[in-house]
Amino acid sequence: GESVGLHLPTLSVQEGDNSIINCAYSNSASDYFIWYKQESGKGPQFIIDIRSNMDKRQGQRVTVLLNKTVKHLSLQIAATQPGDSAVYFCAEKVGGSARQLTFGSGTQLTVLP
Amino acid sequence: NAGVTQTPKFRVLKTGQSMTLLCAQDMNHEYMYWYRQDPGMGLRLIHYSVGEGTTAKGEVPDGYNVSRLKKQNFLLGLESAAPSQTSVYFCASSYIGSLAKNIQYFGAGTRLSVL
Repeated sequence: GESVGLHLPTLSVQEGDNSIINCAYSNSASDYFIWYKQESGKGPQFIIDIRSNMDKRQGQRVTVLLNKTVKHLSLQIAATQPGDSAVYFCAEKVGGSARQLTFGSGTQLTVLP
Repeated sequence: NAGVTQTPKFRVLKTGQSMTLLCAQDMNHEYMYWYRQDPGMGLRLIHYSVGEGTTAKGEVPDGYNVSRLKKQNFLLGLESAAPSQTSVYFCASSYIGSLAKNIQYFGAGTRLSVL
């Protein structure tokens, strides 16, 4: 089956800079996308989601952009802080699939002092 | 406000032993899921349930069984553990509502080692 993938497995940014984490998907039937943050030894924590009828959604310090033309999703974190260091996963839901999410392999974000 | 609670947090098994992982949620969610997470990989769906008394297979169901006898609980069983089942297991639950409510809420995980 089709799955979600990530462009880069690791990303290092300076504290205070903006972070951009990318995600590619291949299933054109996906109608919902979600980003999770997973800190070491913990379960994934919801960050932000977006429906396929939207191009952009903003939260607190985070923005998700969806480009359906090239099947690309990105998570932008403004003013990255040490507490943002974690693995970030994107996931997609295919329409009509009983709400099953397909997860990417994750990107490790490291915030440098 | 506990959310999703998994027990136990850690377990070591010998090959061939059996065990049950318990997941409990207090959010009155209809949907519940069991995932496994292996190093360098994303979460893979083992089994899921869309309501009390119903279960379905996910991406990697072999070697596992599940039961949903009560709405708030979802059990994952390993009848004869194998080293390939060494992993971190996560339970999640979600609301049955509209498309905007597809958020899955995760427990803290169970680290299982099979020797």
